[in-house]
Amino acid sequence: QSALTQPPSASGSPGQSVTISCTGTSSDVGGYNYVSWYQQHPGKAPKLMISEVSKRPSGVPDRFSGSKSGNTASLTVSGLQAEDEADYYCSSFAGSNTVVFGGGTKLTVL
Amino acid sequence: EVQLLESGGGLVQPGGSLRLSCAASGLTFSSHAMTWVRQAPGKGLEWVSGISGSGDITYYADSVKGRFTISRDNSKNTQYLQMNSLRVEDTALYYCAKGLRLGFDPWGQGTLVTVSS
Repeated sequence: QSALTQPPSASGSPGQSVTISCTGTSSDVGGYNYVSWYQQHPGKAPKLMISEVSKRPSGVPDRFSGSKSGNTASLTVSGLQAEDEADYYCSSFAGSNTVVFGGGTKLTVL
Repeated sequence: EVQLLESGGGLVQPGGSLRLSCAASGLTFSSHAMTWVRQAPGKGLEWVSGISGSGDITYYADSVKGRFTISRDNSKNTQYLQMNSLRVEDTALYYCAKGLRLGFDPWGQGTLVTVSS
């Protein structure tokens, strides 16, 4: 149950797009289409932004999108807004009904 | 609206025990797998344990296997996490969340567990 690999930080200016990667193995990210992404603002509980690689729950802006290629999943935030500044975590089903998270990426809106 | 409310956190000495509860409302509780996720101070998220809707299948992270026990009472819309042999490294904010394989949504606000002598 090794953690997924995310860049510690990412940044972009308002209106720009930014992509955050999440790298695992064939035993987790690459083996299942069960990658999720969470947004966490300081002092708040995480919020589901993307499930099953690319599905957006109701209420999540379509500026947020997810994809996967091989063992790497990605979250893209388009048209960056100030309120998008937060920590982002990926997670993946890892077989035997276990789940593994990434280390988190701090997104800064410049 | 689904709401999850955790309770039971507190200060405990290493080697001690604590039981966390998560009361759910706004959903057909028995239809959903449930999960516990923790976050150490200033650190990232760590999946801890999950349980099927019926409660007959449970899952654990290697870091807590053999020490923590997840359970649920569907008549009370509540899930539990019994934590034994607690270690300093178990200090964290413990979140309850709905779901397992397909993602966790929503999350409660968390209950803080501090393991210290």
